[in-house]
Amino acid sequence: DGGITQSPKYLFRKEGQNVTLSCEQNLNHDAMYWYRQDPGQGLRLIYYSQIVNDFQKGDIAEGYSVSREKKESFPLTVTSAQKNPTAFYLCASSPTVYTEAFFGQGTRLTVV
Amino acid sequence: QQQVKQSPQSLIVQKGGISIINCAYENTAFDYFPWYQQFPGKGPALLIAIRPDVSEKKEGRFTISFNKSAKQFSLHIMDSQPGDSATYFCAATLIGDGGSQGNLIFGKGTKLSVKP
Repeated sequence: DGGITQSPKYLFRKEGQNVTLSCEQNLNHDAMYWYRQDPGQGLRLIYYSQIVNDFQKGDIAEGYSVSREKKESFPLTVTSAQKNPTAFYLCASSPTVYTEAFFGQGTRLTVV
Repeated sequence: QQQVKQSPQSLIVQKGGISIINCAYENTAFDYFPWYQQFPGKGPALLIAIRPDVSEKKEGRFTISFNKSAKQFSLHIMDSQPGDSATYFCAATLIGDGGSQGNLIFGKGTKLSVKP
């Protein structure tokens, strides 16, 4: 089945540790995105990538890093510099022409 | 100029009633307006979308109404059902003529509860 797979579904980390969230897609989409969702805040863009080996900062990139070494994969690292990392993280992809974004099922990160 | 304002924040409707969610945007260059539906613990899924060359688009019980001059668009859910209970997000972006010009700007969401 085609789609976007995020793993893990739940992630717990201690404060000060870096953590990497996985996102894989088999839709052959060029563009991939990471969003952060907090209650009452909607979806805020962290990073996006239009092609392999290229990515751009979104609205709230501070404390996050990404890589795009393969078309299918767009991992997100939440670094210790992110002041409030506990949130629901969503990965999405779309064809080059942005007509529809497909979302993964999300990863809920809790930092204690 | 990049904001999309969505209202109401929450909505309670009786089964069989009409649910109406409104969004307003500022950037007149936006040319693609999708609505997403999200169930708890899941990722959003595209529900319906509209381009500004039409004033209304209907898919089953879901209708988007678009008012270009007012820079507003709304989602109407007819004959609302308990299974429609979810959070709904409007969004806007600029697609242009030949490629992605920007990214989806989302509203803050409306939590819809349909009572049986």
